[in-house]
Amino acid sequence: DARVTQTPRHKVTEMGQEVTMRCQPILGHNTVFWYRQTMMQGLELLAYFRNRAPLDDSGMPKDRFSAEMPDATLATLKIQPSEPRDSAVYFCASGLVRGTGASSYNSPLHFGNGTRLTVT
Amino acid sequence: DQQVKQNSPSLSVQEGRISILNCDYTNSMFDYFLWYKKYPAEGPTFLISISSIKDKNEDGRFTVFLNKSAKHLSLHIVPSQPGDSAVYFCAAIAYNNNDMRFGAGTRLTVKP
Repeated sequence: DARVTQTPRHKVTEMGQEVTMRCQPILGHNTVFWYRQTMMQGLELLAYFRNRAPLDDSGMPKDRFSAEMPDATLATLKIQPSEPRDSAVYFCASGLVRGTGASSYNSPLHFGNGTRLTVT
Repeated sequence: DQQVKQNSPSLSVQEGRISILNCDYTNSMFDYFLWYKKYPAEGPTFLISISSIKDKNEDGRFTVFLNKSAKHLSLHIVPSQPGDSAVYFCAAIAYNNNDMRFGAGTRLTVKP
């Protein structure tokens, strides 16, 4: 049963430190999404990639957040410097998407189990 | 800018009864809607979806209804079971891109 793998599961760090979260999408999936779960906003879209190229990162605070896909098996989300307000659960999701709109999704998105980040 | 809204943070129902979870959206370009279910310490998992060309889609105990004119959809679970207790997220995709936008979620508790 193919899964999206996220590491670490938990991260506690001090304000000002760099945080790197990693995601291994399902093999064969061409689109990777990063979401952040907060109490107020629910699942907030931060950025997504298609075939390793960034398509939209408008949901991400650009001054401190960066997302990359060094290769097809790894997506990273970095926060530098981290702040207490960044504390949340960060989810990665992958899917096979071609084109736009509803018909573009060959299957629903598969989510990882998330990285719970606490910044003190 | 919350394009997908779930205005009820929580819902509690008795086992065997119907659970109705609601979702409203503002973006008229959304043409596909999904419900995801999330247990604690796990990622969301896909539950059921509906295209804008339909007004109802049923899968076992789960039925999703879409009212396009009202920009409203709902998820009905009947009969509700204790194992259905989870957070339910409504999501939507626009026809002109691949963004999947989620609501804030509704925590459903089904009491035995």
